[in-house]
Amino acid sequence: GENVEQHPSTLSVQEGDSAVIKCTYSDSASNYFPWYKQELGKRPQLIIDIRSNVGEKKDQRIAVTLNKTAKHFSLHITETQPEDSAVYFCAASKGGTASKLTFGTGTRLQVTL
Amino acid sequence: GAGVSQSPRYKVAKRGQDVALRCDPISGHVSLFWYQQALGQGPEFLTYFQNEAQLDKSGLPSDRFFAERPEGSVSTLKIQRTQQEDSAVYLCASSHRGASGANVLTFGAGSRLTVL
Repeated sequence: GENVEQHPSTLSVQEGDSAVIKCTYSDSASNYFPWYKQELGKRPQLIIDIRSNVGEKKDQRIAVTLNKTAKHFSLHITETQPEDSAVYFCAASKGGTASKLTFGTGTRLQVTL
Repeated sequence: GAGVSQSPRYKVAKRGQDVALRCDPISGHVSLFWYQQALGQGPEFLTYFQNEAQLDKSGLPSDRFFAERPEGSVSTLKIQRTQQEDSAVYLCASSHRGASGANVLTFGAGSRLTVL
């Protein structure tokens, strides 16, 4: 089955700096890669996703890049703000209707003033 | 409803008790997933329903775990003879096909189970 690894496990940045979280996946058939943000005690919420037919996608301060050959994808957050502090999870799936997500172990991002 | 609703939000059970966790998905969502999230970990897949059919239960950790969705809407995850290792947050998610063409999951707030 699919295996997703995520690094780093914790990340501390100063407000205004950029943050980068990296994930690798094992199943070359995976073609859908979402990122979820989970605040303490809250539900995971989708913040951005990418399909394997594109290499990069951007939404305001958030961007995701995908390297299919190397089987890794990354989340980039620019101009970080304190409200970006949360746990971020990457995930991978084959993208079909019945396709389950395999999640990484999470990155705890702390944005300090 | 506007989102995925789960109940109870918190459940404390004594070891050996049976528990039932309820999920009310977004109206019209055909697909429903259950995930288990241990403390400090990512969600792990338990089972998947398409309408009332349970198409994948490969993630259920033992035969003490049972899930159903008899009318294709509300789902119940039942855990029999609970053990301490069952302590976790149980997340339900329903899905629709998003703009990217893939299955986009919307999660509920979860049911936090603590087994003493």
